[in-house]
Amino acid sequence: GAVVSQHPSRVICKSGTSVKIECRSLDFQATTMFWYRQFPKQSLMLMATSNEGSKATYEQGVEKDKFLINHASLTLSTLTVTSAHPEDSSFYICSATTVAGSNQPQHFGDGTRLSIL
Amino acid sequence: TQLLEQSPQFLSIQEGENLTVYCNSSSVFSSLQWYRQEPGEGPVLLVTVVTGGEVKKLKRLTFQFGDARKDSSLHITAAQPGDTGLYLCAVPTYSGYSTLTFGKGTMLLVSP
Repeated sequence: GAVVSQHPSRVICKSGTSVKIECRSLDFQATTMFWYRQFPKQSLMLMATSNEGSKATYEQGVEKDKFLINHASLTLSTLTVTSAHPEDSSFYICSATTVAGSNQPQHFGDGTRLSIL
Repeated sequence: TQLLEQSPQFLSIQEGENLTVYCNSSSVFSSLQWYRQEPGEGPVLLVTVVTGGEVKKLKRLTFQFGDARKDSSLHITAAQPGDTGLYLCAVPTYSGYSTLTFGKGTMLLVSP
């Protein structure tokens, strides 16, 4: 149980393109979804936290107009990288949790490898 | 300043060896989680520890939470190539909330 599906798994596109990444909880309702960014050989850096039906909370230094997050339902959150540039190339990972609280596990998707040419 | 310090950063061993990796901090945490991430995939939760001094075992993996709840260790007995991956520790960023802060991880490579 607690499967999170992320799509697409890999994107290669030209600079200036906007890219949408989907994160779905397949067998549970996710009260909260998280978006992370991971550079090679580095840890996960939280970008934003999204709750269904409300605006996402962005971490310091993350541009909300650059990284648009929509959490339209309890099973779907999307991250759109607008006007992507080579420096946006990274591994983007989403996670979801069923119940709020510090001891609750996050269930991760398999990530999206974004490469901007 | 990194909240969580993981060591070593990289570890390359032969199949059958034992190893221990560490997650240290100067802060006290209500809980701590360990994840394993394989290349090109998302992290998978291994364990959550919540009580100071707690020891949890998952097959050949033994997890311990420090008495003061500031640090944790992961010991692997008789490592297998399938244990290869990035081991991440994580703690709640804010008390009572789901948001996590991750350490930089220990990359483990187990060769046959």
